[in-house]
Amino acid sequence: DAGVIQSPRHEVTEMGQEVTLRCKPISGHNSLFWYRQTMMRGLELLIYFNNNVPIDDSGMPEDRFSAKMPNASFSTLKIQPSEPRDSAVYFCASSPRAGTRDTQYFGPGTRLTVL
Amino acid sequence: GESVGLHLPTLSVQEGDNSIINCAYSNSASDYFIWYKQESGKGPQFIIDIRSNMDKRQGQRVTVLLNKTVKHLSLQIAATQPGDSAVYFCAETSMASGNTGKLIFGQGTTLQVKP
Repeated sequence: DAGVIQSPRHEVTEMGQEVTLRCKPISGHNSLFWYRQTMMRGLELLIYFNNNVPIDDSGMPEDRFSAKMPNASFSTLKIQPSEPRDSAVYFCASSPRAGTRDTQYFGPGTRLTVL
Repeated sequence: GESVGLHLPTLSVQEGDNSIINCAYSNSASDYFIWYKQESGKGPQFIIDIRSNMDKRQGQRVTVLLNKTVKHLSLQIAATQPGDSAVYFCAETSMASGNTGKLIFGQGTTLQVKP
């Protein structure tokens, strides 16, 4: 199994630009999570999906952030417009069963730098 | 508010010694706890978990202890090796009524293993 796949691994963009992060969960997993990691705030859950449906998006910072999961094998996290304070490592994770009380498998992350 | 925090931000041990990483949690309703290991440039990796109906659980070279009375969690690593050098996170969740079971991560402890 290839594990959770994220792309790109690194993204450098200028303030105001749109950024799209992509995630392919482990095949057969029913839950998908987006996290943001910074030195100041640690690991924060942004949003999670069960069976492609968003369940809890209370961690999404503001309206500039949006996430979609059009099918069981793909999800995107979009920031529009991006700001320097969005610079962080963004992780996608998936777990086998619906609900978060299960082992989550993390991808390698996307390091985003907004200049 | 509810939070999970770590007592020691950095722990330095000699190779071959045992390591103990501590974590305090504040939500008495938490009933599931997980330890993750994050190596530089990688996503968090599941190490071991424990449910609140247990006090101790052992894995390969790792042991997790749970003290619900004082809301304390610890990870013990036996015969620490250079490959154990990483940041270790505890995470907690609760399946109490109305709670989605969202994982809350602590800030992390850096483990440095000296050869």
